[in-house]
Amino acid sequence: DTGVSQDPRHKITKRGQNVTFRCDPISEHNRLYWYRQTLGQGPEFLTYFQNEAQLEKSRLLSDRFSAERPKGSFSTLEIQRTEQGDSAMYLCASSLGSTKGIGSGANVLTFGAGSRLTVL
Amino acid sequence: GDSVTQMEGPVTLSEEAFLTINCTYTATGYPSLFWYVQYPGEGLQLLLKATKADDKGSNKGFEATYRKETTSFHLEKGSVQVSDSAVYFCALSGSFWDNNDMRFGAGTRLTVKP
Repeated sequence: DTGVSQDPRHKITKRGQNVTFRCDPISEHNRLYWYRQTLGQGPEFLTYFQNEAQLEKSRLLSDRFSAERPKGSFSTLEIQRTEQGDSAMYLCASSLGSTKGIGSGANVLTFGAGSRLTVL
Repeated sequence: GDSVTQMEGPVTLSEEAFLTINCTYTATGYPSLFWYVQYPGEGLQLLLKATKADDKGSNKGFEATYRKETTSFHLEKGSVQVSDSAVYFCALSGSFWDNNDMRFGAGTRLTVKP
C-alpha cells in the first residue's frame, strides 16, 4: 500500500471556476476525512465519511463545497465558483475507525501530502 | 468547543539542544491527544499519541505525557537533530467518540541548526 494519495498536488485556477480534488485512501481504511490548511494554521476539519456515508458535513465552509465517496473507496472534494479565499492546502486522511460507536480510543489518521489550491 | 493551544514559533535550536513545545487543551470528557509532524513537502505524520491521563507517548526520542490536572501534553526531546526540523502540531480527538473530528493547534515550526 502506498498510503493516502491525493491528486492533483497543485491546482491553479481563476476565480469563479470549479475545481475537484481526488483522494485515494489506504485500501483497508473505512473512514476518510477532508481538512483544509491555510498558511500558518493547523488543519481545519471539513467533513468525513464512514464507508460511503457522509456522517458529518456541517463543517463544510459553504454550500460551494461538496464531497462524495460513492463506492466507499476514493473520494472527491469539489469547490464550485472558487474565490480567492479558497486558496489553501486541502488534506485528505483515512483511518480504520470503529463501527461500534462508543470511544475505542484513538484510531490514527494517515494523511496524504495534500492538494494545494491557488485561486487567482 | 474542544480545542488545543500550542506555543507559537518559530523555534530555533542548535543540534543536541533540549526541546520543549508546549500544548494545552480544552475538552469535555476524555479526549485522546496526539502530536503530528509535517516535514517540508510531506503530509502530516503521527509522531506519538496518548489516550488517557498519565499515559506517555514516545517515538523517535520524542515524549509527551497526558496531564489531566494541567490539561497539557507538552512535547519534549532531550537532544534534537537537524533532521527534526519540521512543523509540529498538537491535536486532540473526540472526547467520547472515535476521532471523527480531530482538532489541531496552529503548529510550531522547529529549525535545528548544525
